[in-house]
Order: sequence, then C-alpha cells, then structure tokens
Amino acid sequence: DTGVSQDPRHKITKRGQNVTFRCDPISEHNRLYWYRQTLGQGPEFLTYFQNEAQLEKSRLLSDRFSAERPKGSFSTLEIQRTEQGDSAMYLCASSPRGGRPQYFGPGTRLLVL
Amino acid sequence: GESVGLHLPTLSVQEGDNSIINCAYSNSASDYFIWYKQESGKGPQFIIDIRSNMDKRQGQRVTVLLNKTVKHLSLQIAATQPGDSAVYFCAEKGADENQGGKLIFGQGTELSVKP
Repeated sequence: DTGVSQDPRHKITKRGQNVTFRCDPISEHNRLYWYRQTLGQGPEFLTYFQNEAQLEKSRLLSDRFSAERPKGSFSTLEIQRTEQGDSAMYLCASSPRGGRPQYFGPGTRLLVL
Repeated sequence: GESVGLHLPTLSVQEGDNSIINCAYSNSASDYFIWYKQESGKGPQFIIDIRSNMDKRQGQRVTVLLNKTVKHLSLQIAATQPGDSAVYFCAEKGADENQGGKLIFGQGTELSVKP
C-alpha cells in the first residue's frame, strides 16, 4: 500500500496525559498536512510542512500542540496535557510539488477520558 | 466557510439514478476546488478537483461544475451505486500565498443510495 499511513489508528488516554501520533506520507510527496475533524464537521487545518519546514500553523494549534517533520519524510504530532476537547479524528495528508491534490490517511481517532 | 452544527444535509437517491451534490464556497479569490468522499471511520478519499480557470471537469462517473459568478460548486455522480453511500465534502484553496497550502472544507453532504 503506497498511500498515506497513520499510527496509531485509535488512542484512548486520560486527561492530562501526552500523546504522539505519526504520519508517513506518500513517497516523494514534499508537502505534509495535519487536520482535525470532529463528529459531523469537515476537517479543519492545523499545520503544514514543505519538506522539513513548518510553513503555517492554524490558531487552532495551541501551545500544547507541536508538530515536527525532522527529515522531510514522516511527521509527528504531539499533544501535551490532553483535554477532553482534544477528542477528535486527527488526519494527515500529503501532496506532491504544487500542492495538488492532497491525499489523506486513515486518521488517528483520539478519545480523552 | 466553516461547517456549523452536527446535522449534515442529506441526499437520498435510488440506485442507478444520477446524484447532484451542491456546495457554496466562501472566498471569491479561491483558485482551486476539490471533492472528497468520506466513509464512516475512514479518511477523506480524493474524487476530483478543478482549477478556477475551468468550468467543468469530468472523471469516471463523476463531473464537477464550477460557477464562479455565484461561488457554487457541484458534484454529479452518474448511475449512483450503493458503494457511493458516504459523506461528501467540497474544499477550496485560496490563491493568496499567505493562505498557505490549507484546504478549507465546507459542510458535508451525506449521500444515501437505496437499492
């Protein structure tokens, strides 16, 4: 399978714990995006990378959230001190040069108890 | 624009009929539009895209129409099949470089195909 992959697919954690998600983009895609999706809503943009550079961050990305793409390949999204409001599907997407189209992974569903 | 509320618009069609899903976008400066299909528990799946210099683009069983005058986008699915049942999202991308690479998603439409 050469699509975008995400790990884990599901995560249940207690409020206050830290969690980290991983995304592996399609090979040779230089752009990588993170989105968050809550029930009944469309995905909302969080941040994106071109190669290893983080070029844009949404105001949704509070200081508890951090994303990295150290070698321009896979990316991690960490949430510190999780809150119940962080419960959502976290989606990763990648795109080739030019940014079009974006291909999404299966998502990581986070539940904060 | 941003999605509001938890109740998605729904469209119910008979198997074999054509489906038309509509979307209003917010930014007249957007230069790229895209449709995704999302099945329950899965990530959005790319269907078709269109640039603002086009009015129509066709794929396999799908057609996207763009009306920039009224900021309206539609997805037509020919000979709808039960496997087409899903939530469909449109998304736009601004031409302004300051908007970066992000897609802005509209409110989804839930398509239900009756056999």
